[in-house]
Amino acid sequence: GAGVSQSPSNKVTEKGKDVELRCDPISGHTALYWYRQSLGQGLEFLIYFQGNSAPDKSGLPSDRFSAERTGGSVSTLTIQRTQQEDSAVYLCASSSSPFSKNIQYFGAGTRLSVL
Amino acid sequence: DQQVKQNSPSLSVQEGRISILNCDYTNSMFDYFLWYKKYPAEGPTFLISISSIKDKNEDGRFTVFLNKSAKHLSLHIVPSQPGDSAVYFCAATNAGKSTFGDGTTLTVKP
Repeated sequence: GAGVSQSPSNKVTEKGKDVELRCDPISGHTALYWYRQSLGQGLEFLIYFQGNSAPDKSGLPSDRFSAERTGGSVSTLTIQRTQQEDSAVYLCASSSSPFSKNIQYFGAGTRLSVL
Repeated sequence: DQQVKQNSPSLSVQEGRISILNCDYTNSMFDYFLWYKKYPAEGPTFLISISSIKDKNEDGRFTVFLNKSAKHLSLHIVPSQPGDSAVYFCAATNAGKSTFGDGTTLTVKP
């Protein structure tokens, strides 16, 4: 597909379980971002990958959150021992021009519900 | 501290009138400012941008104004259409990252 693809679109899990969220960016985009949007809130930055550089993890809220990007393409965001406050929509975006306009192309998101 | 703020959570206008959405920022190092539009159950989509060295950029019904001295930008939509009803996010970029405001929900009434 031509756009950013995220899976699953919805995930319901029990408190304490681990979850993995997947993002397929637009082919050729060097930059990939993860954001979290809690109900009624804005986009909270989580992590940023740019080419082969070390990722910017400054937005990860705790050490239960981690992400990797394999082969400069697909990315996985992992949340360990999920808590109810982790319930949110997790958005992935990619960009081909991070150091100029940085227009980001977003996936539709994964809605995570922790019961 | 929130570096990008959209102080109005919601705005309602009549079809055909002007919609003005506002955004304030604190970091003078931002080099581009962008507006994104978001419909329910979809990701945000890029709408219009402006460089920090410009004061106005126009694209059809959408115009963005930048006042650097006031650290303020605004998005004007004229004429407003019911299909413009969405959440609008202001974003500011620097060093490969973007900082987003909390969004303003625009409702355009027919």
